[in-house]
Amino acid sequence: IAGITQAPTSQILAAGRRMTLRCTQDMRHNAMYWYRQDLGLGLRLIHYSNTAGTTGKGEVPDGYSVSRANTDDFPLTLASAVPSQTSVYFCASSEQANSPLHFGNGTRLTVT
Amino acid sequence: KQEVTQIPAALSVPEGENLVLNCSFTDSAIYNLQWFRQDPGKGLTSLLLIQSSQREQTSGRLNASLDKSSGRSTLYIAASQPGDSATYLCAVSRSGGGADGLTFGKGTHLIIQP
Repeated sequence: IAGITQAPTSQILAAGRRMTLRCTQDMRHNAMYWYRQDLGLGLRLIHYSNTAGTTGKGEVPDGYSVSRANTDDFPLTLASAVPSQTSVYFCASSEQANSPLHFGNGTRLTVT
Repeated sequence: KQEVTQIPAALSVPEGENLVLNCSFTDSAIYNLQWFRQDPGKGLTSLLLIQSSQREQTSGRLNASLDKSSGRSTLYIAASQPGDSATYLCAVSRSGGGADGLTFGKGTHLIIQP
């Protein structure tokens, strides 16, 4: 079934550690996104990519980095995790910017 | 800055009822509006997308309307079923916006009682 695969499903991470959340899509979508979802704050955009080779900052980019070496993969890296990065992280894609979004099932990250 | 509000935050109704979920936004210069549902522990699933030039979109028992000038959208669910229980979110894309232009509401948590 075509869609978005995120890994890991959940992770407990010690503060200060480096972590990469993986995201792969098989729909050949041009645009990809990383959101975090927090109770009371809703979904907030971390980083996005309009097409392979380009990335941009969203609403809450600090402490996170992304790369888009090819169409299918869009990893999110936390260089040095902090407890405030405890959240559920969703990767999404769309055929073009402003097309319907498709979401993965999320990664639940706890930073202790 | 665009703000998206969804009222009510939670709603519980008996099975079979028709219901309306509301979404309002502060900046009417939008490109489109999307409605999503989110099941517990899952990602969001796109339900309907309305372009700024459209007034409504329909999919099965769902009908979404858009009044851009007043900054409002509604999602109408006909003949509700227990399987409709989920959180429903709306999101607006700003006019001329790229991939960073989507603003989400915080959602309405819907429970359909059997």
